[in-house]
Amino acid sequence: GAVVSQHPSWVICKSGTSVKIECRSLDFQATTMFWYRQFPKQSLMLMATSNEGSKATYEQGVEKDKFLINHASLTLSTLTVTSAHPEDSSFYICSASVTTGGFHSPLHFGNGTRLTVT
Amino acid sequence: DAKTTQPTSMDCAEGRAANLPCNHSTISGNEYVYWYRQIHSQGPQYIIHGLKNNETNEMASLIITEDRKSSTLILPHATLRDTAVYYCIVRAYTGANSKLTFGKGITLSVRP
Repeated sequence: GAVVSQHPSWVICKSGTSVKIECRSLDFQATTMFWYRQFPKQSLMLMATSNEGSKATYEQGVEKDKFLINHASLTLSTLTVTSAHPEDSSFYICSASVTTGGFHSPLHFGNGTRLTVT
Repeated sequence: DAKTTQPTSMDCAEGRAANLPCNHSTISGNEYVYWYRQIHSQGPQYIIHGLKNNETNEMASLIITEDRKSSTLILPHATLRDTAVYYCIVRAYTGANSKLTFGKGITLSVRP
C-alpha cells in the first residue's frame, strides 16, 4: 500500500531556531499533501494544503510566514517551523493520497514528527 | 463537510466484536463516510470508507443505515492492539485536494 514517510520522528530544538520536517511519498507521486498539527489530548487540526509547484494554502489562523511549506517535487513536501517557540511544541503529521487514472485513494498519513521546543 | 457525532469512549473484551457508532444526520448525497484510527503517538491509519452500501475489508466492516444518517464500524474480533482513537469523518469525494476534518473521535479500550 501507499507509504508516507516523515523525518525526523522527533526533534528537540531551542527557542528561536528553525526546524525542517520532511514528508515523502515513498511509492507514489502526490500533487497534494496536507499538514496537520496535534496538541496533547486533542484531535488533528489541518494547518495547510501543500501543492506541488505552487504556493501552499493555509487554514485560518495559521501563520504562513512562521510555517513555511515547500512542495518542490511530486514526492516531497517540507514544513519549516521558523523561530520556534515552546508553544509550537506539538505533533506534526503529513498526509497524501494516491492518484491513478483519475482515481483518488483515501488519504494516507505519515507517522508524525514530535517537536519539542525548549 | 457534514458533522459527525461519536460517543467519547467505549470498551470491549478482547476477542469480542467492537461496534463503534457514528451519527451523521446532515450528510449530503455526495459525501462518503470514512473511518480512521490513531494509535497513541502515531499517524492516523485508514480503515474503511463507504457511500451507501455496507463495506468489508480485512480490517473491519462498515454498516451504513439506509437513510445514511448513521453508521457503525465493526471490528469483528478485537485485540489489545485495536486500542486507539477511532475517527468517523464525512467527506465529499472531490479528488486529491479533498481534505479530512477530524473531530474528537471515540476512544476504544480493549480489555484482556
